[in-house]
Amino acid sequence: GAGVSQSPSNKVTEKGKDVELRCDPISGHTALYWYRQSLGQGLEFLIYFQGNSAPDKSGLPSDRFSAERTGGSVSTLTIQRTQQEDSAVYLCASSLRVSSSGRRDEQFFGPGTRLTVL
Amino acid sequence: LAKTTQPISMDSYEGQEVNITCSHNNIATNDYITWYQQFPSQGPRFIIQGYKTKVTNEVASLFIPADRKSSTLSLPRVSLSDTAVYYCLVGDRGGKLIFGQGTELSVKP
Repeated sequence: GAGVSQSPSNKVTEKGKDVELRCDPISGHTALYWYRQSLGQGLEFLIYFQGNSAPDKSGLPSDRFSAERTGGSVSTLTIQRTQQEDSAVYLCASSLRVSSSGRRDEQFFGPGTRLTVL
Repeated sequence: LAKTTQPISMDSYEGQEVNITCSHNNIATNDYITWYQQFPSQGPRFIIQGYKTKVTNEVASLFIPADRKSSTLSLPRVSLSDTAVYYCLVGDRGGKLIFGQGTELSVKP
C-alpha cells in the first residue's frame, strides 16, 4: 500500500467492552506513532514504537490502554473496558525513523479510526 | 512537561500572507520544530520543519528566533484551499512529542 492504513474506519461500541484498533504503516518505516484527537481538539500523543519496542508508554491515558507492534510492522492499540471519554479519532502515523540528529522524520498519517463509546 | 501555545483561530482573505505563531517554552535542545496541516476527516500532513533561523520550501516559510521558544509559520498568498487546521510539533526535554492545540485558519474570498 502507498500509505498508512487503519482499521476499522469507524467503531461503535458499548461502554465496558474492549476494542482493538489496527494500524498498517508504510512498508519500511521503522517508527510508528499513535495519537488521539477528541472532537474539536488537538492531537494527543499516546505512544510511539521504534521497531517493536516502545521506549515511552507514559502518554497512554490509563492502564486500560495498551499497544503492541509485532514484526516491526502492524500495530494494535487496545482499549479495555471502554468509557465514554474514550470516544475520539485515533490516528496512527509512521516515519522512516524517529529522528536523525534531532531532525524528526516526516510522519505520514493514516485516516484514523473514529471510536464512539455509547 | 512542555506546553505549546497557538492561536485558536485566524481569518484571512485570498492572496494575503498569513503568519501563525507557536510558543514552545520547553523544547528539547536538539529538537526540530515541525508544522503540519490537517483538513477535516483527514490525518495531518507535513508542511515544513526547521531548527533555527529561517527555512523555506515550496509551500511555506518557517521563522525561528535564536532562543527557539517560538516559531512562526508563514503562508504566502493563501488561497481558499489553505483553509485547514495548522499544528506545530516539538519534542520536549523529557522526550515527549507535543502537538500544539492547532490554529484553525479560515481563508475567505
